[in-house]
Amino acid sequence: AQKITQTQPGMFVQEKEAVTLDCTYDTSDPSYGLFWYKQPSSGEMIFLIYQGSYDQQNATEGRYSLNFQKARKSANLVISASQLGDSAMYFCAMREGLDDYKLSFGAGTTVTVRA
Amino acid sequence: NAGVMQNPRHLVRRRGQEARLRCSPMKGHSHVYWYRQLPEEGLKFMVYLQKENIIDESGMPKERFSAEFPKEGPSILRIQQVVRGDSAAYFCASSPASGRWASKETQYFGPGTRLLVL
Repeated sequence: AQKITQTQPGMFVQEKEAVTLDCTYDTSDPSYGLFWYKQPSSGEMIFLIYQGSYDQQNATEGRYSLNFQKARKSANLVISASQLGDSAMYFCAMREGLDDYKLSFGAGTTVTVRA
Repeated sequence: NAGVMQNPRHLVRRRGQEARLRCSPMKGHSHVYWYRQLPEEGLKFMVYLQKENIIDESGMPKERFSAEFPKEGPSILRIQQVVRGDSAAYFCASSPASGRWASKETQYFGPGTRLLVL
């Protein structure tokens, strides 16, 4: 079974508007961490934001925020005030368990920001 | 503080040749992970290494693939007798520690090596 599901293959957003990227996950482990990475056309993987399963508050990092809904097993990324440089592929990833280290990635969502 | 370094960035090989991909982790990081990204897909875990130890190679194909992280020098992912299906981007990541994490222990990725097998 897929551990991470990203159902939106591609999205368009107008510059300066907000965009929400969906991510649902599947795990039976009560301890896990959720990550979002950005992959621009140049190909590198850039860490954006992290949410722990026991964190009480939604994570925020600058223009990035994570809408964590534990009961629904969703961890959507919100990018506010989109910029042209935000055009990239975005991956949601999960690490399960206190002792685990492997990241499981979703298939990604391509975001294109329009001027 | 230099990030994770990988070389070469691009590698072209003919079927049957060997590919050697190198990864130098971030300064202070002793844990290295290799992932493979096939076209239009997310990254898939291959192997986790610490210095001179392979901790988990459950994601690595049983044949032709090997990895090492010697006491001195970079981590090496080696693919022998490459086939067209090996064409992919190979990413290395590093972290300062692993297991029993109380905080995020983020894995930081290198720029990747794009392998093309002709």
